[in-house]
Formats: sequence, structure tokens, C-alpha cells
Amino acid sequence: EDQVTQSPEALRLQEGESSSLNCSYTVSGLRGLFWYRQDPGKGPEFLFTLYSAGEEKEKERLKATLTKKESFLHITAPKPEDSATYLCAVQANNQGGKLIFGQGTELSVKP
Amino acid sequence: DTEVTQTPKHLVMGMTNKKSLKCEQHMGHRAMYWYKQKAKKPPELMFVYSYEKLSINESVPSRFSPECPNSSLLNLHLHALQPEDSALYLCASSRKIISGGADTQYFGPGTRLTVL
Repeated sequence: EDQVTQSPEALRLQEGESSSLNCSYTVSGLRGLFWYRQDPGKGPEFLFTLYSAGEEKEKERLKATLTKKESFLHITAPKPEDSATYLCAVQANNQGGKLIFGQGTELSVKP
Repeated sequence: DTEVTQTPKHLVMGMTNKKSLKCEQHMGHRAMYWYKQKAKKPPELMFVYSYEKLSINESVPSRFSPECPNSSLLNLHLHALQPEDSALYLCASSRKIISGGADTQYFGPGTRLTVL
């Protein structure tokens, strides 16, 4: 069964304290892995699409990496405005484009 | 531009009311989606339209009725809802890649629905 697990569920950081969020996945034929950021009461905001193991993408303080079993979202020197829930999702072959989401990691960055 | 718009932003309705949620995109995307999201949970897929045809219905109760009038618009008609249907309703769209490659979904801001 296709499955996505994110850890930790919640993460509290001090401003400037770098860390990583984990997304472990089991899927029969990966088409892509996606990272989204979601602020309370708003829709998920697209961050990255990763297609194959070894791929890395960066945007400002965020860097996403992908292996055959997991993805990491590295946050370098976070700021309070990085506080949000980060969602990981995978898309499998022959699933009509469906996304399988993890439960999310709620990140809080304190000044 | 990767914008998906949704109206209204907030909706309060009684259990006997009929209302509709609207979603629009002008990115030329040919797949559109409805999701339901409860607090502290990830989005839960309800319906998928591919080239204006319903391709996936995730066993959603008939009190939710989707409609795709054209490739840019997606509606969700609501009737006789229950209080437990209160949630954030999200619309998304994607290019709809036929073979190979990931199909990135872009989400709208959502409609906050409260059923009294």
C-alpha cells in the first residue's frame, strides 16, 4: 500500500537554528514527490517537485533532497516567517494523478 | 502565473440550504481537483476532473455534486449538508501529464465552510 510518513509532527526552532524535516515514503512506482507549505486557514503553497533519487532543489532558505525511500526538507537559518505546516506528498504511477499526503510537520520559529 | 482562485472565501449555511463553491484557473491546466481539509489534517481528495470529465470520485456522498462547465471552471454544488461537513474546501489544478513525469498540483486559497 502506498504510504507517506512525515516526522517530526511538530518542530520548534529558534531563529537561525537550522534543521531538517523528514518524509518517508513507500510507493509502487514514483512519478514525483512534492513539498508544500501551508499557513493556517489557507491553501497549500507549492514549494518543490522532485522526480528521481539524487535530485536536489533550493529556494531561499529551503533545500529539498530525495532518495529512494525518503525526502528531506532542510531549513537553513530559519526566520519566524518560515513558521507553517509543511506537507509532503507523493504521486504514483497509474493513480490518475492522485496525491498521497503525509500528516505534515508543524514548524514554529521563535525570534 | 500559478494562480487558482476560489469564491467565496467563507460560507455559512444551514442544513437545508443549497449553495455552490466556485474555482477558476487560467493556466491552461486540464485537470482540476476538489479536496476537503479538516483542522490539523492533510487535504483529502474528493473529485478529479480530467479534460472536463469526471475521472475520480472518492466515494463522496451525493450531497456534494461537482460540475466542470469548461476547462477553466470547477464548481461544487452543496445540498443538505451535515455539520460534520464543515471544513476548508480546496480546489487545485494541474497540467495533466499523460505519460511519465510528475503532475504538479497548484492549490487555491480555499473556502471555509461552516454548516449550522
